[in-house]
Amino acid sequence: AQSVTQLGSHVSVSEGALVLLRCNYSSSVPPYLFWYVQYPNQGLQLLLKYTSAATLVKGINGFEAEFKKSETSFHLTKPSAHMSDAAEYFCAVSDLQGAQKLVFGQGTRLTINP
Amino acid sequence: DAGVTQSPTHLIKTRGQQVTLRCSPKSGHDTVSWYQQALGQGPQFIFQYYEEEERQRGNFPDRFSGHQFPNYSSELNVNALLLGDSALYLCASSPPGRRTGELFFGEGSRLTVL
Repeated sequence: AQSVTQLGSHVSVSEGALVLLRCNYSSSVPPYLFWYVQYPNQGLQLLLKYTSAATLVKGINGFEAEFKKSETSFHLTKPSAHMSDAAEYFCAVSDLQGAQKLVFGQGTRLTINP
Repeated sequence: DAGVTQSPTHLIKTRGQQVTLRCSPKSGHDTVSWYQQALGQGPQFIFQYYEEEERQRGNFPDRFSGHQFPNYSSELNVNALLLGDSALYLCASSPPGRRTGELFFGEGSRLTVL
């Protein structure tokens, strides 16, 4: 069975500081990995995805993530936080079988301090 | 190009009642999945529909049922509502072709059970 663990339910950084949101996964097959963002009262929007190509993945809004198989991690980073980055972030895993069932982590709420 | 649309956006029901939620997928998409997102939690997979059939199902009781129509739109039905069914119900669609697990989400239907 696949699972995702997001370390830290709440992360707070200052505007302009580095953003680091942690995600570790468990999967019995090579995974596809995703980061989604959810703004208040909205659905989920895809930030970026890893599908077995380059291990460093660049997404929208300046975010990127690195797939590290040895650490079973897929941490999300952004060099300089902006106030508009305040949202809930979810890491998710699916399998290569194409079933398209995503298993989500519990989410990390990112707060940006002015 | 309209994205995934869901209706209603909000609704209130009482215990024991039944509810139907509706979803229109993004144009060109043929697969619809439903997720339940309880307050403060990550989304949980309910089931997926493709070619008008349920293809995969998560760990949800038979009170949760669905349907997909020839135009790819979908409904989620929940019978005998419980207080614990209060959540944001998200519909997600994906296009035909190579399945990578990338989903396009609607803004959700927020169900409150009193």
